[in-house]
Amino acid sequence: DVKVTQSSRYLVKRTGEKVFLECVQDMDHENMFWYRQDPGLGLRLIYFSYDVKMKEKGDIPEGYSVSREKKERFSLILESASTNQTSMYLCASSVKGLAGSARAQYFGPGTRLTVL
Amino acid sequence: SQQGEEDPQALSIQEGENATMNCSYKTSINNLQWYRQNSGRGLVHLILIRSNEREKHSGRLRVTLDTSKKSSSLLITASRAADTASYFCATVRINAGNNRKLIWGLGTSLAVNP
Repeated sequence: DVKVTQSSRYLVKRTGEKVFLECVQDMDHENMFWYRQDPGLGLRLIYFSYDVKMKEKGDIPEGYSVSREKKERFSLILESASTNQTSMYLCASSVKGLAGSARAQYFGPGTRLTVL
Repeated sequence: SQQGEEDPQALSIQEGENATMNCSYKTSINNLQWYRQNSGRGLVHLILIRSNEREKHSGRLRVTLDTSKKSSSLLITASRAADTASYFCATVRINAGNNRKLIWGLGTSLAVNP
């Protein structure tokens, strides 16, 4: 079975702190994704990566950065946490699909981040 | 932006009944996927149906796709309390780099009462 793990289930940080969220997958997937999920807004893509050291902005990249130094690990960084970044953060991975397709995504359990 | 829109937003049924959820989308798709999310947890992939398929089954799940109406439905037969969850549809979006990203609906919240 695909396993995607996230470094923390719950995290509480203060405004202005730098926050690192780590995600690791064990299935050699090329693609990795970071989403945030908020009530009434659904899942919104922050960043994704389709290869080591490659990244692309999603729909809401402002205030976030990412790092992918190894294929299995994709990190989300909040440079200076703000209260409006309080949310559930979900990491996912997938194999690289053929042109014109997107494959199933496998999710981690999520990190519920609270910024005070 | 959201492409998939699930209907209804919330559904409450008794154990043993069937549950049907619908998803509509706006643009042409390559495939459509359904996911389940238990409360406060990550999403679990249920089923993927390609644009050239009309129906797909997986255990108690049946998914249909009507590309002419740009809609899909997820049927859960003989529901159980453990099926209580939110169900999301996701469709494929093509970006400038030719990588494929999913566009998510807001989900249907299903409650199965014992």
